[in-house]
Amino acid sequence: DQQVKQNSPSLSVQEGRISILNCDYTNSMFDYFLWYKKYPAEGPTFLISISSIKDKNEDGRFTVFLNKSAKHLSLHIVPSQPGDSAVYFCAASRYSGGYQKVTFGTGTKLQVIP
Amino acid sequence: EAGVVQSPRYKIIEKKQPVAFWCNPISGHNTLYWYRQNLGQGPELLIRYENEEAVDDSQLPKDRFSAERLKGVDSTLKIQPAELGDSAVYLCASSFETGSSSLYEQYFGPGTRLTVT
Repeated sequence: DQQVKQNSPSLSVQEGRISILNCDYTNSMFDYFLWYKKYPAEGPTFLISISSIKDKNEDGRFTVFLNKSAKHLSLHIVPSQPGDSAVYFCAASRYSGGYQKVTFGTGTKLQVIP
Repeated sequence: EAGVVQSPRYKIIEKKQPVAFWCNPISGHNTLYWYRQNLGQGPELLIRYENEEAVDDSQLPKDRFSAERLKGVDSTLKIQPAELGDSAVYLCASSFETGSSSLYEQYFGPGTRLTVT
């Protein structure tokens, strides 16, 4: 059962434009939602998170939007830069067994074209 | 500050052979995770340590996988015997967690890419 879904395996965007990466989830018990960025041959690095009680969180060029009724979140990157080209993993976290257990999506490969 | 270190970076073995991966977490991090990432998938948790105690190993295939974290610092993950389906990237992550329900950032190592032939 894939609880966190990223239906777009890839996305191409022109430099300077907005990149929108989407993510859907099925479990309404998630407490936090996260985005990780991964370059080839490196481990994922944390990018931004949002609590389930909020609907927006912004950090510089990165904004995450949460729509709980639709069980949907999105990551907006404005403006997109070539260095943003990477695989982006959506993840969701639920407090279970004494800690926040993170479930990852399958990833979306973003290519920013100069 | 040094990040999470993993070795080897790449490993190719024949099926039925044993293999071991090593992880050195960020200094001071009390929590250590091992994940497996199959091709085209996101990381999936295998085991979580709090200090030297494995507190969540529910996803670890215990018939062939084992892990240890002696002295609550470095950790090793072993597969014996390896099967073709074990080909994946094995990621180690660490964090400093104080036991509340808060979300703590996990720092990932570069992973070990295992190929079983």
